[in-house]
Amino acid sequence: SQQGEEDPQALSIQEGENATMNCSYKTSINNLQWYRQNSGRGLVHLILIRSNEREKHSGRLRVTLDTSKKSSSLLITASRAADTASYFCATVASYNAGNMLTFGGGTRLMVKP
Amino acid sequence: GAGVSQSPSNKVTEKGKDVELRCDPISGHTALYWYRQRLGQGLEFLIYFQGNSAPDKSGLPSDRFSAERTGESVSTLTIQRTQQEDSAVYLCASSRQGFGGYTFGSGTRLTVV
Repeated sequence: SQQGEEDPQALSIQEGENATMNCSYKTSINNLQWYRQNSGRGLVHLILIRSNEREKHSGRLRVTLDTSKKSSSLLITASRAADTASYFCATVASYNAGNMLTFGGGTRLMVKP
Repeated sequence: GAGVSQSPSNKVTEKGKDVELRCDPISGHTALYWYRQRLGQGLEFLIYFQGNSAPDKSGLPSDRFSAERTGESVSTLTIQRTQQEDSAVYLCASSRQGFGGYTFGSGTRLTVV
């Protein structure tokens, strides 16, 4: 079974709007990462947040992490048509759990021009 | 190389034949993963190599699947007696130590006919 579960599975918004995607996980983590995938091929690493961090920014991306709720969110502000892609969260388990990298099912984001 | 290289990019094979997929990770990356992604689905963990440690093979779906890695370089994923349900994109990813962000290859799209 997957460590991360993402919500929503699909999201459709207008260009310029903000997009929020959520991820929940089950076990203790070392860090949580978000990836983007275009056209079902290679994933691109977007941002990494460590278990002792609560919020991180990178350009138009904002990631939050709540370890008490075992959840994270990815916010894309002022979305563009080029942001259309699938977004995956992935957790790296704590060292004593073998630092396994496990992916959620992904959110398919469509940004309409 | 500058990125993770996977070959072939596409492979069409007849049911029952064996296939070998190759991954060239980034030089110096000790951690390497293989994932399988069926159309429209999330990433399914197959196998994880970390340095000289014994690989974590817990994700391999059957004994028809095997993978090798030579030191901290090339990895090959072999599927014997391919079945139609093996059709998927096979993705390889590497990371410097295993706790940071991963760099993905573009994947091998395997079609079993």
